[in-house]
Amino acid sequence: DVKVTQSSRYLVKRTGEKVFLECVQDMDHENMFWYRQDPGLGLRLIYFSYDVKMKEKGDIPEGYSVSREKKERFSLILESASTNQTSMYLCASRGGQGREKLFFGSGTQLSVL
Amino acid sequence: AQTVTQSQPEMSVQEAETVTLSCTYDTSESDYYLFWYKQPPSRQMILVIRQEAYKQQNATENRFSVNFQKAAKSFSLKISDSQLGDAAMYFCACTSNAGKSTFGDGTTLTVKP
Repeated sequence: DVKVTQSSRYLVKRTGEKVFLECVQDMDHENMFWYRQDPGLGLRLIYFSYDVKMKEKGDIPEGYSVSREKKERFSLILESASTNQTSMYLCASRGGQGREKLFFGSGTQLSVL
Repeated sequence: AQTVTQSQPEMSVQEAETVTLSCTYDTSESDYYLFWYKQPPSRQMILVIRQEAYKQQNATENRFSVNFQKAAKSFSLKISDSQLGDAAMYFCACTSNAGKSTFGDGTTLTVKP
């Protein structure tokens, strides 16, 4: 079965720190996504990638960047963490096009103090 | 652009009874897919059911079925014979063929013993 692994389940950082959230999938999927989940707001797409070294902005990219140097790994970077980036971050991957389901990691709860 | 609306932030159902979760969507795509995902307290998001928009027949998966009304852009989820393990947050999602998924705000389902 596909496994999507997020490196941390809980993370506490200080305002202004540079934060890296790592996501690795083991099924050779082309497509990878980063979402943030906030109560009452559902899942909002931050960035996605259809291939290595390729990235596209989602609906809320401000304050974030991403890196995809290898097919299996998709990193989300908070260049200078702020308190309004306290949230649950979910990584997902998918093989193929839109009809295929998303496979999700178990999330990273990030607190920025 | 796509939007997904779940108008019920919370729902509750008695064990063994039936419950219906509502979802409406809007998309400019002619080819798209609709999903219901479940997120239990473990935070691991899993697929419940999928509907291809070009198919008129409503999808079913064991106790889970959908009522897909394409003209009304409605995609509700019916859970029959509810079980305690069905308690979770449920997300409706619309995915274009190009692959971007838009999620609703979620409905928290409580199952009463």
